Amino acid sequence: EVQLVESGEGLVQPGSSMKLSCVASGFTFSNYGMNWIRQAPKKGLEWIALIYYDSSSKYYADSVKGRFTISRDNSKNTLYLEMNSLRSEDTAMYYCAKWGGSSVDYWGQGVMVTVSS
Amino acid sequence: DIMMTQSPLSVAVTPGESASISCRSSKSLLHSNGITYLSWYLQRPEKSPQLLIYQISNLASGVSDRFSGSGSGTDFTLKISKVETEDVGIYYCVQFLEVPLTFGSGTKLEIK
Repeated sequence: EVQLVESGEGLVQPGSSMKLSCVASGFTFSNYGMNWIRQAPKKGLEWIALIYYDSSSKYYADSVKGRFTISRDNSKNTLYLEMNSLRSEDTAMYYCAKWGGSSVDYWGQGVMVTVSS
Repeated sequence: DIMMTQSPLSVAVTPGESASISCRSSKSLLHSNGITYLSWYLQRPEKSPQLLIYQISNLASGVSDRFSGSGSGTDFTLKISKVETEDVGIYYCVQFLEVPLTFGSGTKLEIK
């Protein structure tokens, strides 16, 4: 059974940094691209970052480019999202999501990030 | 960026009846490899999104065959037959043709 378990939830002040993790199990993590997707409270879904299976390519939404960094450690089956210069508009539920070939096929349960003074 | 436009914003359905949701993309989602990168998801209340349909009409593993997808190019439809109470939630179409991946704004399905 595929499982994606995020961690790193919390409340931070504007301008600060935070790092999310996502531990994967139930599939060969090193064979699949991974994504971070977020959802602001009562809002729709927003893709924010994608990393290839071997970290050879990374892509970001304009809203986070230059502030967020996606990375992975295939030896630990873990996906990361390092978030810097956080803003109130980054307040959201953050999901890690597995690339399934032509779509995202599995999502984690999500972690809440709140940016507020 | 590819814009995804869903309609209606919400739909109320009597159990046992059918519902249809439309999704239009601002650019054809047909890749040169012959695959159309359009998927549908259901987000039940307080839950993570769940894949229903990929490549326009392929049912994801474990998904009821009451769900079906159709369309081509830029126009797509999700149909839910014999709606049940467990179908309540928000439905999203998503394009995976190119980054940034983009979502429709969602259609809320409620039970009458």
